[in-house]
Amino acid sequence: AQTVTQSQPEMSVQEAETVTLSCTYDTSENNYYLFWYKQPPSRQMILVIRQEAYKQQNATENRFSVNFQKAAKSFSLKISDSQLGDTAMYFCAHHDQGGSEKLVFGKGTKLTVNP
Amino acid sequence: GAGVSQSPSNKVTEKGKDVELRCDPISGHTALYWYRQSLGQGLEFLIYFQGNSAPDKSGLPSDRFSAERTGGSVSTLTIQRTQQEDSAVYLCASSLESRVGTQYFGPGTRLLVL
Repeated sequence: AQTVTQSQPEMSVQEAETVTLSCTYDTSENNYYLFWYKQPPSRQMILVIRQEAYKQQNATENRFSVNFQKAAKSFSLKISDSQLGDTAMYFCAHHDQGGSEKLVFGKGTKLTVNP
Repeated sequence: GAGVSQSPSNKVTEKGKDVELRCDPISGHTALYWYRQSLGQGLEFLIYFQGNSAPDKSGLPSDRFSAERTGGSVSTLTIQRTQQEDSAVYLCASSLESRVGTQYFGPGTRLLVL
């Protein structure tokens, strides 16, 4: 079965600094997608970034970037210049292109950005 | 355009009662998903609809849970004879196309069973 593991239940960072959230996953597929979602206290799940497994280049969205290591099945999220509004739960998710259509989520990392 | 909407935002019910949760997907999105998020946990897949195909019900935890999607748009998740362990946030998501599409989530319905 597919699994997604986020080994850091909680993290904190000072405003304007950089933080990296870890995620590892397990799959037997070669083609798949990986996502990071943010869930602030309002509980709305917001897409942060998406990575296609066939692309070697790491995805980047403004202050958010990933380090995708396909062989190691690792997909970490780097947040640069952290802002107070980045405080939220962050979930890593995996989607097999050729399998079930569901997203498989990790248990999340609670990130707190301190002023 | 409008995002995924869900109603009600919050629902408190008594054990044994039936509840209905509603999801309005983004217009034009053919795929619709229901997930459950228990306190402090990640999201657990419940059910998936894609166009006119038979839904994937593999995540429904018991036969007390059912869902339908009328006219390829609005979906209703029904929980019969609710139990306290059903208390959770129920999230709906939609995507343009299931195999490659990013899933966009609604704000969820927080269900509390007393």
